[in-house]
Amino acid sequence: QKEVEQNSGPLSVPEGAIASLNCTYSDRVSQSFFWYRQYSGKSPELIMSIYSNGDKEDGRFTAQLNKASQYVSLLIRDSQPSDSATYLCAAEPFAGGTSYGKLTFGQGTILTVHP
Amino acid sequence: DAGVIQSPRHEVTEMGQEVTLRCKPISGHDYLFWYRQTMMRGLELLIYFNNNVPIDDSGMPEDRFSAKMPNASFSTLKIQPSEPRDSAVYFCASSLGLLGGTQYFGPGTRLLVL
Repeated sequence: QKEVEQNSGPLSVPEGAIASLNCTYSDRVSQSFFWYRQYSGKSPELIMSIYSNGDKEDGRFTAQLNKASQYVSLLIRDSQPSDSATYLCAAEPFAGGTSYGKLTFGQGTILTVHP
Repeated sequence: DAGVIQSPRHEVTEMGQEVTLRCKPISGHDYLFWYRQTMMRGLELLIYFNNNVPIDDSGMPEDRFSAKMPNASFSTLKIQPSEPRDSAVYFCASSLGLLGGTQYFGPGTRLLVL
């Protein structure tokens, strides 16, 4: 079983709607979680990080973490066509110095926002 | 800031040839990461360095792969000999200090091995 799992989609939403992206992880020692956005042919860029249970909001983006359920989500409000990209969920296991920075990525969810 | 710089951006080679990918991290960053991305396997960490020292190379697929970081501003990933299954996009990323996840990715090198 892959450590970080995402629904590969594609997920298609109309402009102005809320896009909901989900991610589950299997490693119970994972402590930090991240959402990266990757446009086609480009490199990943960090858009959100979350470390504690609950919600974290940044502009139109909200990350949600539930460690008991081993579940992370990203909500994009008022979706725009420019949000169309692949969204990668990543987890960082923390079990000592050799684990630091070793991100495990999910396969990514392709999001399409249509006008 | 120029960001993470990688070269070449595209590489086409024949099976059996040596391939060297290059990376210049963001100045001042003390962590450097090499990733490989394919449709089948997604984005995988190959190896990462802290202050030029390799910390974890457990993601390096085979002995054909090697990576070095001779100084704080330069790293190489070498494949020798290359095989068609090595075809992928190779990303270099760097980060500053204990800020796991805030890794800044380079534009990547698209490698095709024929």
